[in-house]
Amino acid sequence: EDQVTQSPEALRLQEGESSSLNCSYTVSGLRGLFWYRQDPGKGPEFLFTLYSAGEEKEKERLKATLTKKESFLHITAPKPEDSATYLCAVYGSGTYKYIFGTGTRLKVLA
Amino acid sequence: SAVISQKPSRDICQRGTSLTIQCQVDSQVTMMFWYRQQPGQSLTLIATANQGSEATYESGFVIDKFPISRPNLTFSTLTVSNMSPEDSSIYLCSVEGRDYGYTFGSGTRLTVV
Repeated sequence: EDQVTQSPEALRLQEGESSSLNCSYTVSGLRGLFWYRQDPGKGPEFLFTLYSAGEEKEKERLKATLTKKESFLHITAPKPEDSATYLCAVYGSGTYKYIFGTGTRLKVLA
Repeated sequence: SAVISQKPSRDICQRGTSLTIQCQVDSQVTMMFWYRQQPGQSLTLIATANQGSEATYESGFVIDKFPISRPNLTFSTLTVSNMSPEDSSIYLCSVEGRDYGYTFGSGTRLTVV
């Protein structure tokens, strides 16, 4: 069964304190791993798609990496505006369905 | 990427009543997806709506409870029928976006009392 587990559930960082969020997955025939950002009261906002192990993508202070078992979202020198819930999802050829994790709530303190 | 307008943004409803959520996309799309997001839980797909055909429902969701309309390629509605407090949740519509990711509406926060 396809499954996505995100850790930690919540993370508090000081402004400028770099860290990483983890997304562990099991999926039959990975077609893509997705990262989203969700602000309170809003729908998820698409960030990245990773297709194969070893792939990396960057956007501003965010960098996503992928291995065969997990993905990391690295946040470098975060700012308070990076505070949000970050969601991970996978899409596999076994079910052809998106499976979402429960997210990591990030709070960056000024 | 498409822009999605979803309304209402929130509502408080009495149990036993129904609420219809509207989703308008600024471009034509083949498929629209309806999700539910319960507190502390992951997004769960309710159904996929294609224009001109009946929606395809996921396991645990039935048409009588969540009827969906898809009259054209830019619009869809989801109705939550005969509501109970367990239906309190955020409901989201989405469409396929760039890099096979999804573009989501802003969501409807439903509270059933």
